[in-house]
Amino acid sequence: QVQLVESGGGVVQPGRSLRLSCAASGFIFSDFAMHWVRQAPGKGLEWVSVIWYDGNDKYYADSVKGRFTISRDNSNNMLYLQMNSLRAEDTAVYYCAKSFEVAAILGSWGQGTLVTVSS
Amino acid sequence: DIVMTQTPLSSPVTLGQPASISCRSSQSLVHSDGNTYLSWLQQRPGQPPRLLIYKISKRFSGVPDRFSGSGSGTDFTLKISRLDAEDVGVYYCMQTTQFPHTFGQGTKLEIK
Repeated sequence: QVQLVESGGGVVQPGRSLRLSCAASGFIFSDFAMHWVRQAPGKGLEWVSVIWYDGNDKYYADSVKGRFTISRDNSNNMLYLQMNSLRAEDTAVYYCAKSFEVAAILGSWGQGTLVTVSS
Repeated sequence: DIVMTQTPLSSPVTLGQPASISCRSSQSLVHSDGNTYLSWLQQRPGQPPRLLIYKISKRFSGVPDRFSGSGSGTDFTLKISRLDAEDVGVYYCMQTTQFPHTFGQGTKLEIK
């Protein structure tokens, strides 16, 4: 069955960087687009980014454009989110999600990893 | 950006009774490929989101048939025919027709 395990979260100071990882298993990773979605404490969901199955297309939310970079390693079934110039408002649980049928359907979700940006 | 507006934001429902959540988008969600990429997700307390419904009305794998979706264009509805205790949580509509993808504010479903 599909398994998505996020890691790399933690406490980081404003302006610093962090890289999140998502280890995928149970499906042919290189066949599916992958997303990152975040949720600030006690708040709703915010879509962050998507990367196409082959890594050739990437899209971002305006709130992270120019600061975050999504990437993937299809050889090792890994999804990444490089987060630079972090701000307090980036504090959230970050979920990776696997697409279903097409990139536009977020079918399976990981448990999430918490990122706290604080001095 | 497409704004997704859910109503109500909170809904106390009696076990065994129906529940309904509305979602309205600020623009049509019909994609150039002819599909409408409107999904409904459930988030139980302390859990990650879970896909329930995609493309307006298609139930995702393992989702009970008491969940149904309907609508078109800019107006959509999630219905639960008979509320079960495990249905407590927050429900989100999400559009993935256009970038950036956007979510509704969430509707908290609780037992009356």
